[in-house]
Amino acid sequence: RKEVEQDPGPFNVPEGATVAFNCTYSNSASQSFFWYRQDCRKEPKLLMSVYSSGNEDGRFTAQLNRASQYISLLIRDSKLSDSATYLCVVNREGLMNSGYSTLTFGKGTMLLVSP
Amino acid sequence: DAGVIQSPRHEVTEMGQEVTLRCKPISGHDYLFWYRQTMMRGLELLIYFNNNVPIDDSGMPEDRFSAKMPNASFSTLKIQPSEPRDSAVYFCASKAETQYFGPGTRLLVL
Repeated sequence: RKEVEQDPGPFNVPEGATVAFNCTYSNSASQSFFWYRQDCRKEPKLLMSVYSSGNEDGRFTAQLNRASQYISLLIRDSKLSDSATYLCVVNREGLMNSGYSTLTFGKGTMLLVSP
Repeated sequence: DAGVIQSPRHEVTEMGQEVTLRCKPISGHDYLFWYRQTMMRGLELLIYFNNNVPIDDSGMPEDRFSAKMPNASFSTLKIQPSEPRDSAVYFCASKAETQYFGPGTRLLVL
């Protein structure tokens, strides 16, 4: 099983639609979760962190289900500018209980919002 | 703040040539990461540094790849000799609390 799995899409939605992406992760010990956004030919940028109780940032809502090891991102009232690839990101502990951790990125889900 | 700076932004080279990618992290960030992104494999961590010290290079694909961080404001990723399968986008990122990516170097090895 891959560490972080996402449906690659693309998800094609009209402006104003609500769209949701899910992501599953394999390491039950993971503690930190994020959604990054990557525009075409650009670098990934942090969209939002994902907290255990769920959190909202404007039109974006992130949820975490530890029991099932999945993370979701809900986008309401989609805008043309939301068209991008959304990367699910999970922390991974470093080697030999080093105290270091790194981020593992899913391959991303592509969203295309049309007029 | 200028963000993470990478150079060159694009590099086209021939197989067998040496390639050096450069990165200037955000001032004050104590972690620096090198990633490679391809359609097939997504974003892969190659190596990362903490306070200029390499912590984990297990993601470096082969001995042809090497990375250095001689000081807190500069890092290089070198490929010698380069091969066509090294063609990818190489991102540098730095972190204090949040990880920020540079704009990437698009490498094409012919």
